[in-house]
Amino acid sequence: EIVLTQSPGTLSLSPGERATLSCRASQSVSSSYLAWYQQKPGQAPRLLIYGASSRATGIPDRFSGSGSGTDFTLTISRLEPEDFAVYYCQQYGSSLIFTFGPGTKVDIK
Amino acid sequence: EVQLVQSGAEVKKPGESLKISCKGSAYRFTSYWIGWVRQMPGKGLEWMGIIYPGDSDTRYSPSFQGQVTISVDKSINTAYLQWSSLKASDSAMYYCARRGDSSSLRYFDYWGQGTLVTVSS
Repeated sequence: EIVLTQSPGTLSLSPGERATLSCRASQSVSSSYLAWYQQKPGQAPRLLIYGASSRATGIPDRFSGSGSGTDFTLTISRLEPEDFAVYYCQQYGSSLIFTFGPGTKVDIK
Repeated sequence: EVQLVQSGAEVKKPGESLKISCKGSAYRFTSYWIGWVRQMPGKGLEWMGIIYPGDSDTRYSPSFQGQVTISVDKSINTAYLQWSSLKASDSAMYYCARRGDSSSLRYFDYWGQGTLVTVSS
């Protein structure tokens, strides 16, 4: 079973700053099977990025995804007040098994 | 607009059974996998399992195999998550989510609002 590790656990930044979130897999993951989600308190998760780098419908272009193999990155180019949230990466492995990372919390510095 | 609407919050006692639901609308329900995700209080997301409403093909996370049952009634566009004997540790928010329709990609594009399950004596 593939294990996802996200770092840092918490990222304290100010609005307007750049956020770089890491997701590392214990084994190589197909880029097609890597997604990122945003979750705000009291809300369901929202799909941001799929296929490692494709933005979901309605997602602003300040969000971008990159990476391959075992190392993936979510970048928020300039943080807006509404971007402070928890971010999860997700991968899909064999036999229809999905795994989520533990999450990175982006909070206001 | 695609929607997944989940059943309301539940308060149960240990040992009781429970079945929560997730109703899809505004899309062809039988053509998209529906997954279930657990979120314990203050914790992250855990994938529990997934079902294809078209033929009820179901897969479980090893962590949840034998602990829950996922089912579907495609006549009413509804997926279910059920427990036969609840434990206090089952207290959590449960989300259903639709898997995106690409055959070569894997992600969940629409999510239900969540069902809060509280198990307490």
